[in-house]
Amino acid sequence: AQTVTQSQPEMSVQEAETVTLSCTYDTSENNYYLFWYKQPPSRQMILVIRQEAYKQQNATENRFSVNFQKAAKSFSLKISDSQLGDTAMYFCAFFTGTASKLTFGTGTRLQVTL
Amino acid sequence: DTAVSQTPKYLVTQMGNDKSIKCEQNLGHDTMYWYKQDSKKFLKIMFSYNNKELIINETVPNRFSPKSPDKAHLNLHINSLELGDSAVYFCASSPGGSSYNEQFFGPGTRLTVL
Repeated sequence: AQTVTQSQPEMSVQEAETVTLSCTYDTSENNYYLFWYKQPPSRQMILVIRQEAYKQQNATENRFSVNFQKAAKSFSLKISDSQLGDTAMYFCAFFTGTASKLTFGTGTRLQVTL
Repeated sequence: DTAVSQTPKYLVTQMGNDKSIKCEQNLGHDTMYWYKQDSKKFLKIMFSYNNKELIINETVPNRFSPKSPDKAHLNLHINSLELGDSAVYFCASSPGGSSYNEQFFGPGTRLTVL
């Protein structure tokens, strides 16, 4: 069974600073996908970034980038130039074609302060 | 136009009642899902349907019965509601297939059982 672990229940960062959210996972599969979802207070689930396991290059979407370490089964999210609108719960998630479902971590609550 | 819609957004009801949550997607996707987010924000898949056929049924009590009248709709009926059913229920859809396609989430339905 796949598991996803987010060891930081809460984090805080000042506006314009950089913050890194941690995620580790466990799987015996070789082909899979990893994601970071954002859930603001509106509770809408928003896809932030995705990474295919077969790609060595780390994914980047504007201010969001990941550090994907396949051997270590680590998938951290870096948010640069943090903005107040980044305040949200962030969920790491994992998908394989075998299971055909998203498995989520427990989430990290990020607060961006002035 | 809303891609994935759910009704109602809020539902307050008494223990023992039967209630339904409706989900519709206008994206032409083949696969639809129901997720439950508990009070600690943990998200877990409940069901998955592909072209109206049940694909995933994660150890969910029999009181929960999904129904897919067509591939654009996936409704969730809950019998004999219990206090522990209080949660936010998310519907999602994706194009389907064995490789990953992004899942689009609805706005969620907050169910409160009194």
